[in-house]
Amino acid sequence: TQLLEQSPQFLSIQEGENLTVYCNSSSVFSSLQWYRQEPGEGPVLLVTVVTGGEVKKLKRLTFQFGDARKDSSLHITAAQPGDTGLYLCAGDNYGQNFVFGPGTRLSVLP
Amino acid sequence: DVKVTQSSRYLVKRTGEKVFLECVQDMDHENMFWYRQDPGLGLRLIYFSYDVKMKEKGDIPEGYSVSREKKERFSLILESASTNQTSMYLCASSLLQGQTYEQYFGPGTRLTVT
Repeated sequence: TQLLEQSPQFLSIQEGENLTVYCNSSSVFSSLQWYRQEPGEGPVLLVTVVTGGEVKKLKRLTFQFGDARKDSSLHITAAQPGDTGLYLCAGDNYGQNFVFGPGTRLSVLP
Repeated sequence: DVKVTQSSRYLVKRTGEKVFLECVQDMDHENMFWYRQDPGLGLRLIYFSYDVKMKEKGDIPEGYSVSREKKERFSLILESASTNQTSMYLCASSLLQGQTYEQYFGPGTRLTVT
């Protein structure tokens, strides 16, 4: 069974701070996706990383896919209250299905 | 923009009732999925479908069935609802984008079974 772990589980920081959350697995995935989910809503896709070692930037968010395509990180620079939410990573098993991590719940305090 | 809609945002049902959750996507996606999301457990796959009239069991199919009579519509059925099926239900569809599949979610249905 493929599993994805995320750390930390919870994170509470002040506005303006930087943070990194991690997504790890012992399995190789064809790609990995990051989502943000707000309370009472469905997850919204932020980014897809495909190539081992790939780095993608989305404004203040930087996503990296591990060289072996087993892990990923999300770094947020100068966090803002609007970044608050549940961050989920999901591994794509070559389109057959997706494996989700349990999520990191981020709270950015003003 | 991809749009995935779900028939209800909130639903309250009694134990033993038959429950239908419907999902519609408007982007001609081949693949559709049903998940449930519970605190501390993340998203767990119930069923998925690659095409009309095709279905595959996910990780937790027990107590559920699905129907896909049209490409754009994927229904989740709880034959006899139980309290342990109280959860947030999320529908998604996916499409091959270049080398990867990208998944798009509906807003979810929060189901309470009393």
